[in-house]
Amino acid sequence: GDSVTQMEGPVTLSEEAFLTINCTYTATGYPSLFWYVQYPGEGLQLLLKATKADDKGSNKGFEATYRKETTSFHLEKGSVQVSDSAVYFCALLPLSGGGSYIPTFGRGTSLIVHP
Amino acid sequence: EAQVTQNPRYLITVTGKKLTVTCSQNMNHEYMSWYRQDPGLGLRQIYYSMNVEVTDKGDVPEGYKVSRKEKRNFPLILESPSPNQTSLYFCASSLLPGQGDEKLFFGSGTQLSVL
Repeated sequence: GDSVTQMEGPVTLSEEAFLTINCTYTATGYPSLFWYVQYPGEGLQLLLKATKADDKGSNKGFEATYRKETTSFHLEKGSVQVSDSAVYFCALLPLSGGGSYIPTFGRGTSLIVHP
Repeated sequence: EAQVTQNPRYLITVTGKKLTVTCSQNMNHEYMSWYRQDPGLGLRQIYYSMNVEVTDKGDVPEGYKVSRKEKRNFPLILESPSPNQTSLYFCASSLLPGQGDEKLFFGSGTQLSVL
């Protein structure tokens, strides 16, 4: 079945540091890929997405590129802020067909940013 | 405002006492689903529904029931809760694949403790 593997946390950085959170996947065909963010005490919310190979998703200074050749979708930000402290989830959504619609989530990576 | 509303936010109960967690969305989405979030395991899908009266098992359906009598509501039912169902639960909804923006909207979560 489909799977998503993301780096274990917590990732601890100082403000203005560069961030990378690795995500790789296995799936049949070419799924859509997502990064969701969960702030303390809240539900998940979409951060960015990419629906086909070489697409780059971006939002709030975060970026991720859909790499088919390496089956990866790494999250990056050039300069993190304290307010970016949260848990980040990589996820994939399989192509429609067959009636099933089960998104697959990674285990989440906690990011802690210190002033 | 587009939203997914879950209730209650916190619930403490005892083993074997039936409970229901409600979920409602105001976006006319066909797709709704329930997840549980456990430390180190990420999000795992319990059940999902692609339309009224259509429900399917996710990855961890044992011990749970759902119903979809109306498009906007998708309650999660624990007929006989056990301590291993202590977890943080999220409801989510979205359009179906091919209908447009593939994006899950999440509720704020229900923290359930079964004693």
